[in-house]
Amino acid sequence: GQNIDQPTEMTATEGAIVQINCTYQTSGFNGLFWYQQHAGEAPTFLSYNVLDGLEEKGRFSSFLSRSKGYSYLLLKELQMKDSASYLCAVRDREYGGSQGNLIFGKGTKLSVKP
Amino acid sequence: DGGITQSPKYLFRKEGQNVTLSCEQNLNHDAMYWYRQDPGQGLRLIYYSQIVNDFQKGDIAEGYSVSREKKESFPLTVTSAQKNPTAFYLCASKLRGTSGANVLTFGAGSRLTVL
Repeated sequence: GQNIDQPTEMTATEGAIVQINCTYQTSGFNGLFWYQQHAGEAPTFLSYNVLDGLEEKGRFSSFLSRSKGYSYLLLKELQMKDSASYLCAVRDREYGGSQGNLIFGKGTKLSVKP
Repeated sequence: DGGITQSPKYLFRKEGQNVTLSCEQNLNHDAMYWYRQDPGQGLRLIYYSQIVNDFQKGDIAEGYSVSREKKESFPLTVTSAQKNPTAFYLCASKLRGTSGANVLTFGAGSRLTVL
């Protein structure tokens, strides 16, 4: 079956670094996405990994290990505005659609404290 | 500016009433999606459409209906058959590509409350 796990909540301090982990089990892996969602708003795209390794984009980086079914999102130099939920989503070829539809984890609510 | 517009943002409904949520996009995207989001749960797929006049059920289609008469529009009707309709509904779209990131873009959402 398909399953995506990520921690429910995390707390970190302004200026620090935080790592949000995501583990997954899917049949037809075709890419992993991270989205940021502020309360009551639309999710916005942060990063995409399809090959093993690290993708860096400013203060945000995302890592993927396909053999381990594991990804993490790394946020550096945390700011108060980074307080949000972070959604891990896996695209699965066997879940419908031309490339496969996304399967979402339950999200990790990150609280950044002063 | 290109984007996805959902309306209304907030909607209240009495039990037994049908309600239709609007979703319009001017991104020239081929595929459109409806998700439902409940507290403590991931986004769950209700319906999706890859081309005009065609759509498929997602994981939780019971009690919902959709239409795709125009490329830009993908309205969702929440019928009285939906047992627990109170939720945050998100519409999304993307190109119908076969490679690369092909990122899903979301609207701002519609919050439906059944009284």
